[in-house]
Amino acid sequence: AQKVTQAQTEISVVEKEDVTLDCVYETRDTTYYLFWYKQPPSGELVFLIRRNSFDEQNEISGRYSWNFQKSTSSFNFTITASQVVDSAVYFCALSGENSGGSNYKLTFGKGTLLTVNP
Amino acid sequence: DGGITQSPKYLFRKEGQNVTLSCEQNLNHDAMYWYRQDPGQGLRLIYYSQIVNDFQKGDIAEGYSVSREKKESFPLTVTSAQKNPTAFYLCASAYTLAGGPDTQYFGPGTRLTVL
Repeated sequence: AQKVTQAQTEISVVEKEDVTLDCVYETRDTTYYLFWYKQPPSGELVFLIRRNSFDEQNEISGRYSWNFQKSTSSFNFTITASQVVDSAVYFCALSGENSGGSNYKLTFGKGTLLTVNP
Repeated sequence: DGGITQSPKYLFRKEGQNVTLSCEQNLNHDAMYWYRQDPGQGLRLIYYSQIVNDFQKGDIAEGYSVSREKKESFPLTVTSAQKNPTAFYLCASAYTLAGGPDTQYFGPGTRLTVL
């Protein structure tokens, strides 16, 4: 069975602070994929990043960066110099090679509500 | 514009009624998905379909039904058998790749409230 844990339910920061959102996953698959999505107050999930289990390189995209550590089964997300527009719920998700009988099921964490205050 | 549309945005249902939520995509994606989101919870998979005329139950299919008669459309019916249907419903679609799952892209969602 697959599992994604986002231990931080809510985080509140002041604008321009850096913030890291934690994601820990469990899977028995040797090939798997990790995702981060952003859900602003409007409700639509916005795709941020997809990473496969063979690629442990960290990635940076503007103020966003991701740290994939297979040894600790973690895929953490850092926002540098946070802005009010970053306020949203952020979800980490996992899809394994054989996800419960389907190759394409996503297992989501419960999400972290990030509030960036001016 | 390419994308996924869901309608209606808000839906109110009386107990005992069936309602159908619409999901349409013009991204030429093969696979489509329905998720349910409850407050403070992650998304849970209701049904998914990887090709036309075929669909599979997800983790919480009881009380729901779907059809996939066209590639572009994947409507979800919430039946009266669903005991607690008030939730936010999200539809997603993706290409199906031989080497693994492609990214799922989501529609704007439908908020269903049972009165």
